Amino acid sequence: DGGITQSPKYLFRKEGQNVTLSCEQNLNHDAMYWYRQDPGQGLRLIYYSQIVNDFQKGDIAEGYSVSREKKESFPLTVTSAQKNPTAFYLCASREGGAEKLFFGSGTQLSVL
Amino acid sequence: EDQVTQSPEALRLQEGESSSLNCSYTVSGLRGLFWYRQDPGKGPEFLFTLYSAGEEKEKERLKATLTKKESFLHITAPKPEDSATYLCAVRANSFTSGTYKYIFGTGTRLKVLA
Repeated sequence: DGGITQSPKYLFRKEGQNVTLSCEQNLNHDAMYWYRQDPGQGLRLIYYSQIVNDFQKGDIAEGYSVSREKKESFPLTVTSAQKNPTAFYLCASREGGAEKLFFGSGTQLSVL
Repeated sequence: EDQVTQSPEALRLQEGESSSLNCSYTVSGLRGLFWYRQDPGKGPEFLFTLYSAGEEKEKERLKATLTKKESFLHITAPKPEDSATYLCAVRANSFTSGTYKYIFGTGTRLKVLA
């Protein structure tokens, strides 16, 4: 079945540590996105990529980094510069020319 | 400022008690309005896309409608399995990036009691 796989489901970060969230899709979609979801807030865009080897900052990119070396993969690194990383992180993809986003199952990141 | 507002924040219904969720929006250059269902600890699942005022879409007990300023998600005779958070999002022009952007509402948490 085609879809978006996020791993791990739960992740814990120690202070000063960088952690990487994985996002893999086999939908052959060009565009991929990372969103952050906090209770009581709408999804906020961290980074997006429309093609391989290209990505742009979203509304809340500070403290995060991404790469897009392969069409299928769009990993997100939460760096130690992100002081409030506890949130539910969602990866999404979109087929070129289409409008709707497909979402992965999310990663819950917490701080130890 | 582009904005999407959903109401109510939470809704409790008895099984079979029909109701509507509201999504009001203020955006420049609407390029689609989307409804998603999100279960706890999971990613949003796509339900509907609406593009123009007057458009309606239906799926089982759900019906989405669109006007120039708002969208409604009508739930007819809901069942406990309809309990979830329903998210509304709009796709609009982004003049800063030269492409489109998605703006999400905060969602309506629906609980249907048996």
